[in-house]
Amino acid sequence: EAQVTQNPRYLITVTGKKLTVTCSQNMNHEYMSWYRQDPGLGLRQIYYSMNVEVTDKGDVPEGYKVSRKEKRNFPLILESPSPNQTSLYFCASSYLARTSGAWGTDTQYFGPGTRLTVL
Amino acid sequence: GQQVMQIPQYQHVQEGEDFTTYCNSSTTLSNIQWYKQRPGGHPVFLIQLVKSGEVKKQKRLTFQFGEAKKNSSLHITATQTTDVGTYFCAGGDGSGGYQKVTFGIGTKLQVIP
Repeated sequence: EAQVTQNPRYLITVTGKKLTVTCSQNMNHEYMSWYRQDPGLGLRQIYYSMNVEVTDKGDVPEGYKVSRKEKRNFPLILESPSPNQTSLYFCASSYLARTSGAWGTDTQYFGPGTRLTVL
Repeated sequence: GQQVMQIPQYQHVQEGEDFTTYCNSSTTLSNIQWYKQRPGGHPVFLIQLVKSGEVKKQKRLTFQFGEAKKNSSLHITATQTTDVGTYFCAGGDGSGGYQKVTFGIGTKLQVIP
């Protein structure tokens, strides 16, 4: 079954304790992305990756790191979490498609989400 | 940077009434996608529009992409309780030779039976 998996689904942690949220997809997608969802702010892109070893910042990258060593995995790392990073996090993946002369995302498949609370 | 505005933020309708949500981008888009998120769930892809003036239909849902590729709408005819959820537009900006995706804030639809 085609899917995007995230772990953990729920996490409560304390300020400053490094954590990693894993994301894995089994669809051989080139593009992967992390979003955070906050009430009244919608979905905001944190980082995205166009392929292995190719990552770039989204709209809200501060306080986050990512890596793309393998095509299927795209972990999100919070080196020193703070309470303002309490949020619902979604990983997504997609094929790349060429539209209007530029490479871009096709259908994005989202993981089930990770609810993170930083105390 | 690119901004995608979506209105309204909330909409309550009586079952059977129509519903429309609108998205406007500050820049010309390469494409626009629409997603639905059920309460407690994750966003699920509905459709992608690429061409200027494009109109696509999925049963009771009609999607439009403006002529200038800066605005889009989703219209639901005769809403049902199964339409409850938050609808997001997501604009793709290929102007940098790569694509960045910016989501609208979403429209939360409540359908009163």
